[in-house]
Amino acid sequence: LAKTTQPISMDSYEGQEVNITCSHNNIATNDYITWYQQFPSQGPRFIIQGYKTKVTNEVASLFIPADRKSSTLSLPRVSLSDTAVYYCLVGGDSWGKFQFGAGTQVVVTP
Amino acid sequence: DSGVTQTPKHLITATGQRVTLRCSPRSGDLSVYWYQQSLDQGLQFLIQYYNGEERAKGNILERFSAQQFPDLHSELNLSSLELGDSALYFCASSARVAGAVTQYFGPGTRLLVL
Repeated sequence: LAKTTQPISMDSYEGQEVNITCSHNNIATNDYITWYQQFPSQGPRFIIQGYKTKVTNEVASLFIPADRKSSTLSLPRVSLSDTAVYYCLVGGDSWGKFQFGAGTQVVVTP
Repeated sequence: DSGVTQTPKHLITATGQRVTLRCSPRSGDLSVYWYQQSLDQGLQFLIQYYNGEERAKGNILERFSAQQFPDLHSELNLSSLELGDSALYFCASSARVAGAVTQYFGPGTRLLVL
C-alpha cells in the first residue's frame, strides 16, 4: 500500500483558495489518487479522483505532476461549510484494503 | 446521501456484550468495507467482502467478525465488548468507475460501550 503524508491542519479565510498537498512517494503504476471530505460524526464523502495531470469537477480540482509522487487538492473560494477533515487515498485499481492516512483538518474562518 | 444505509445509528451497550451492525450497500455495488473510527482517530480498515466472499482483512480483532449475505447486505458482529471498542463504525460500498475503485460511505453507527 502506498503511504500518504498530508499536513495535519490548515487554516483559511472565507473566499480564499485552499491547496492541500499529499505526498505518496511509492505510488504504484496502477494506483489512482482519491480525496475524501469528512465532517464530524459523518461518513467520508468522495470529492475527486484522478490518475495524472489535472482533474476538475464542480467542487474541486486535483493536480497530479508527471512523476505522480504527490498530488494537490485545490478548493476554490472556500466557505465556512468547507471546514472538515480531508483525506488523500492512494490505490483503488485492485481490490483490497484501503489505508486512510491521518487527514488534514481544514478550518475556515470568516 | 451516498445510497449506503447503516443501522442502527446509535447503540449503547455494556462490556462483555455482543452487538450486530448492519449495512446495505448501494444498488449494484458488490463490495462492502467496514471501518472503525475512534474518537479523534483516523479511519481504520477492518475487512472487505466482495459478492459474499471475504476479500481483504485489515486490523480486525478476533472478537469481531463479519459476513455478506446473498442479497449483498453485510453485518459486522462485535463480541465480548470492551470500553475501547466505543467508536464510529462505517460501512462503505464500492463501484469501479473508469478503471478506479471509488468507495461510498454510509452514515455510520455510533457504538458506546459502558
